[in-house]
Amino acid sequence: KQEVTQIPAALSVPEGENLVLNCSFTDSAIYNLQWFRQDPGKGLTSLLLIQSSQREQTSGRLNASLDKSSGRSTLYIAASQPGDSATYLCAVAPSGNTPLVFGKGTRLSVIA
Amino acid sequence: NAGVTQTPKFQVLKTGQSMTLQCAQDMNHEYMSWYRQDPGMGLRLIHYSVGAGITDQGEVPNGYNVSRSTTEDFPLRLLSAAPSQTSVYFCASSWVGASAGELFFGEGSRLTVL
Repeated sequence: KQEVTQIPAALSVPEGENLVLNCSFTDSAIYNLQWFRQDPGKGLTSLLLIQSSQREQTSGRLNASLDKSSGRSTLYIAASQPGDSATYLCAVAPSGNTPLVFGKGTRLSVIA
Repeated sequence: NAGVTQTPKFQVLKTGQSMTLQCAQDMNHEYMSWYRQDPGMGLRLIHYSVGAGITDQGEVPNGYNVSRSTTEDFPLRLLSAAPSQTSVYFCASSWVGASAGELFFGEGSRLTVL
């Protein structure tokens, strides 16, 4: 059974710092990996989707990498801002037709 | 663009009452799903549907029913509410497959069962 772990559960950084959020998964046979953002009291918003054949995806200040062999993905946030404060969740697709398996998320606080 | 719309946003029920959480999407997505989110437990899949007329159970289906009579709507029914069903419920949809594409979430429905 695929399991997804995100460590740490919470992270606090000063504004302007570059930071990395970690995601690990137990089964390397994945279809894709997705990163989401959740603001308090809101639903999840998709940030980046990495197909199993890809190594990384970029969107603005965000860069997600995927290393299937080691069962790891990282989300790199450059020049963090207070508006980046949210919970970031990683999810793995065992196949294209089975539901995503979510980690419990990392709660990020960027302090001005 | 409405996206995924959930109603109601807040609901308080007494133990034993029944209710339906509504979910509608206007993106012609084939895949729809319901999750519950609880502190320390993360997101857990309740039921999902890969198209009209097709539903399947997720990780925590007990106490919940679903149906998918149209592409747009995927209601979640609580048959006899219990305090353990106090949670925030999210509906999500995707244009193809269960996880082949980007997953779009609604804003959530916060349910309290007394």
